[in-house]
Amino acid sequence: AQKVTQAQTEISVVEKEDVTLDCVYETRDTTYYLFWYKQPPSGELVFLIRRNSFDEQNEISGRYSWNFQKSTSSFNFTITASQVVDSAVYFCALSELNRDDKIIFGKGTRLHILP
Amino acid sequence: ETGVTQSPTHLIKTRGQQVTLRCSSQSGHNTVSWYQQALGQGPQFIFQYYREEENGRGNFPPRFSGLQFPNYSSELNVNALELDDSALYLCASSMSLGSTDTQYFGPGTRLTVL
Repeated sequence: AQKVTQAQTEISVVEKEDVTLDCVYETRDTTYYLFWYKQPPSGELVFLIRRNSFDEQNEISGRYSWNFQKSTSSFNFTITASQVVDSAVYFCALSELNRDDKIIFGKGTRLHILP
Repeated sequence: ETGVTQSPTHLIKTRGQQVTLRCSSQSGHNTVSWYQQALGQGPQFIFQYYREEENGRGNFPPRFSGLQFPNYSSELNVNALELDDSALYLCASSMSLGSTDTQYFGPGTRLTVL
């Protein structure tokens, strides 16, 4: 069965600290895609990254970085030098090839960056 | 390039009523997916439309139905509203079928059922 688990319901850190959001997924498919989306208070889901199951290279985009490890079925997201504007709910998600294109979302991690 | 837009922003209905939510896909996108996000939860897939045909459906009853128009905009209809239908309804569009294309989300419609 497909499943995405974000064990951290809520995290608070002080501005400029680094923070890692955990994501563990379950799938029986060998070809799948993993995503991270950000949902600010306005409600719109903002796309951050998509990785396919054959590409385990870590990725860095500015202050954001992602660590994909198939051996542990994890796709963790790190924000370096956090800023107040990073405060939002972050969702990890999974999509399996040829499964109606539906995206399976985790329950999200609410991140508070304190000034 | 225009992003995904949804209307209305907010809506209040009473139990038993019917509601129609609208979505305009991003320019160049022919696939639209609908998701329901209950408070404190992640979005749940309702269904997807590709070139005016339903392409896949999540675990939602038949009173949730949809349409896609020739210009690829879409509607979500919910009949016989129940209190549990209160949620944020998100529409996402992508360039085509297949997980290779990223789905981009609109701002959502917040539906409250009293």
